[in-house]
Amino acid sequence: SAVISQKPSRDICQRGTSLTIQCQVDSQVTMMFWYRQQPGQSLTLIATANQGSEATYESGFVIDKFPISRPNLTFSTLTVSNLSPEDSSIYLCSVDSGGETQYFGPGTRLLVL
Amino acid sequence: GQQLNQSPQSMFIQEGEDVSMNCTSSSIFNTWLWYKQDPGEGPVLLIALYKAGELTSNGRLTAQFGITRKDSFLNISASIPSDVGIYFCAAYDKIIFGKGTRLHILP
Repeated sequence: SAVISQKPSRDICQRGTSLTIQCQVDSQVTMMFWYRQQPGQSLTLIATANQGSEATYESGFVIDKFPISRPNLTFSTLTVSNLSPEDSSIYLCSVDSGGETQYFGPGTRLLVL
Repeated sequence: GQQLNQSPQSMFIQEGEDVSMNCTSSSIFNTWLWYKQDPGEGPVLLIALYKAGELTSNGRLTAQFGITRKDSFLNISASIPSDVGIYFCAAYDKIIFGKGTRLHILP
């Protein structure tokens, strides 16, 4: 399985600011995903990060709020823009190397004041 | 839309007891996955099931892909304190997650 790291591991931000989260994988992977996990809840897919093209967003998530970059097959960033307290969540990246199995990073814990 | 119904929502058991949890849906899936999430960590894959009827073990964990392709269960035998956490089922074709089973172990 792939080894996935995320930075930062946690942050506290003021409302109205933005936070960019980095996801690094130790091997090239086809598919990278970004999830949100609100406190005490399950995982909700935000978008699929596509290498070389725009991300594919799920219903309820828009590029202006969650811009995503995927410059190569081992790295992606998620920015959470114009933060509000409702954005306080764990943000997780995951990868699928092609076998209908996803592996997750350790998560980024965001608290918005 | 598609959703997974995971039960029970939480469990309180004695150390050493066996644990059983399941996930059901009205939709058919090609793959079932079981994850465990410890506090402050990302989900870790426990078992992946790719074939209807498949029964797979990973140490004290056993999971089965239901023959109808609409359900899966996870069993944990002889529970130990480090089994505490949240267990999520997930299913493909476009991956969706259950709401989780929170396992608590009483001393």
